Amino acid sequence: QQQVKQSPQSLIVQKGGISIINCAYENTAFDYFPWYQQFPGKGPALLIAIRPDVSEKKEGRFTISFNKSAKQFSLHIMDSQPGDSATYFCAAGTETSGSRLTFGEGTQLTVNP
Amino acid sequence: KAGVTQTPRYLIKTRGQQVTLSCSPISGHRSVSWYQQTPGQGLQFLFEYFSETQRNKGNFPGRFSGRQFSNSRSEMNVSTLELGDSALYLCASRVAGTSSYNEQFFGPGTRLTVL
Repeated sequence: QQQVKQSPQSLIVQKGGISIINCAYENTAFDYFPWYQQFPGKGPALLIAIRPDVSEKKEGRFTISFNKSAKQFSLHIMDSQPGDSATYFCAAGTETSGSRLTFGEGTQLTVNP
Repeated sequence: KAGVTQTPRYLIKTRGQQVTLSCSPISGHRSVSWYQQTPGQGLQFLFEYFSETQRNKGNFPGRFSGRQFSNSRSEMNVSTLELGDSALYLCASRVAGTSSYNEQFFGPGTRLTVL
């Protein structure tokens, strides 16, 4: 199973609120889980990534939580800002899969001022 | 350092034609990958090239092909275009290696419309 399931499809949050996006995977060979942010007219840009040897990784306002037993991981955006409005993609890869990442369907995040 | 550049940015073709897209990676990056992005299927991996050799391939028909030159620049070609090939084609580059852990840097993409 190569799929990565992402939810919700769209999310509206007020400025200062917490945005939470969830992903689930089936392939237990996955051992690299990045999150990408994409603005209109731009390519995706790496936001934060985690490996399954840790359960949480935080970088500024962005936190990844990882649950290996449930095969789920999530992105939390604290103190969401209008500038965070973008499409977010979770992805999964393996140490030996090179550039081949399996992406989730994407979440359109809108942060209202 | 300049980012990944893709040309052209927009392209309109008709069914049955073929198209060639170009990608220039970040200087020093030896791996180039291509992805197709559509509203229905999302981001899907096409193939990866490293040192002029295809190293990995996604589940796309043989109409999709690519190559890499000695300067790491890459091209992808789609022959006998179909309406369903309309998509944003993204190129990504990274330093090297087989591990996914090395960050990929994406270009802005080429928007292909097939009429």
